[in-house]
Amino acid sequence: SAVISQKPSRDICQRGTSLTIQCQVDSQVTMMFWYRQQPGQSLTLIATANQGSEATYESGFVIDKFPISRPNLTFSTLTVSNMSPEDSSIYLCSAIDRARETQYFGPGTRLLVL
Amino acid sequence: GEDVEQSLFLSVREGDSSVINCTYTDSSSTYLYWYKQEPGAGLQLLTYIFSNMDMKQDQRLTVLLNKKDKHLSLRIADTQTGDSAIYFCAGGDTGRRALTFGSGTRLQVQP
Repeated sequence: SAVISQKPSRDICQRGTSLTIQCQVDSQVTMMFWYRQQPGQSLTLIATANQGSEATYESGFVIDKFPISRPNLTFSTLTVSNMSPEDSSIYLCSAIDRARETQYFGPGTRLLVL
Repeated sequence: GEDVEQSLFLSVREGDSSVINCTYTDSSSTYLYWYKQEPGAGLQLLTYIFSNMDMKQDQRLTVLLNKKDKHLSLRIADTQTGDSAIYFCAGGDTGRRALTFGSGTRLQVQP
């Protein structure tokens, strides 16, 4: 199965600043996604990270607020821009394993915005 | 779009079987997953089933899929205290592949 790592694992940030989260997969994957889990809630899809092109965003999420890059098959970044306390969440990266066609998740990045 | 629903809470005694239920609305859901989330942890893939299957068994876990009723269940045999966690049902289709998650079922196992 694909092993997914994320950096940082957690961070405390000031309002108005930006944070970039990195996601690295250890094997070939077909698709990568970014999800958000607000406190006590389920997971909501932010966007599909497309290799070499602009990400595909879900309704309610925009590129200016959550720019995403995916320069190659196994690496992606999500930036949370101009943060406010409402952005305090867990941000999770996921990927579909090419061999098994199953979707695995990274450990998440716990973000607290003060 | 897809809508996935789960009951919010289930309490069982250690050694009993647990059954967590999930309903979904999109009949084109091809991939149906069960994930486990322990406090402060990420999502652990427990098992999955494709829409062309009715049942899948993996050690203590049994997944049943009723496509007609769009109902998915996860049965955990011989439930242990270490099974206490939130269990998420999630579905995706062949084209989209991104997952729609249920609200999660908190399983509490009493000794």
